Amino acid sequence: GEDVEQSLFLSVREGDSSVINCTYTDSSSTYLYWYKQEPGAGLQLLTYIFSNMDMKQDQRLTVLLNKKDKHLSLRIADTQTGDSAIYFCAERGSSYKLIFGSGTRLLVRP
Amino acid sequence: EPEVTQTPSHQVTQMGQEVILRCVPISNHLYFYWYRQILGQKVEFLVSFYNNEISEKSEIFDDQFSVERPDGSNFTLKIRSTKLEDSAMYFCASSVEGRRTTNEKLFFGSGTQLSVL
Repeated sequence: GEDVEQSLFLSVREGDSSVINCTYTDSSSTYLYWYKQEPGAGLQLLTYIFSNMDMKQDQRLTVLLNKKDKHLSLRIADTQTGDSAIYFCAERGSSYKLIFGSGTRLLVRP
Repeated sequence: EPEVTQTPSHQVTQMGQEVILRCVPISNHLYFYWYRQILGQKVEFLVSFYNNEISEKSEIFDDQFSVERPDGSNFTLKIRSTKLEDSAMYFCASSVEGRRTTNEKLFFGSGTQLSVL
């Protein structure tokens, strides 16, 4: 069935770049998403990419999609302490539902 | 910026009791969803709702669950007889369109933490 996998934890120093990786299995994925969840809060849509694109940039965020390898990444430039959160990758395939990964906990050290 | 609102933020109930979780989707949105996240696990799809009917549901969404849009603004999830394993964070979401060929952004509420004792 459809599955999305992410590494569980990433620690970076403030000011460095963060790269969060995600792999998915559904070859019919149409949209891929990155959501951010801060403690006690909901899921905030950060960015998304259509499956016929290979890159999307939005301010400090860069999304790279390798459709052949079913690999998605989120790069956060100049990572700040306020970026500390859990980041969820999600894909939308042949139905309306999103399939989420387990989330990557990003810790930004001062 | 418009947002999805959910009430209550926390709900504690006894096993076997009925609970209703409430959501107000973004006003011009047409599709509505419920997801849940059991502590330490993935966010899981429960159900999608469009044009006053369920458009898709997961195997989790059994006969104990129901959804309703009782008026033009609210969207509710009812669990008839709660079980311990229903304890989770329940997220409501809404979007404008659900067709694959259109640009679709799914916006989530802050969630209702349900604790079944």
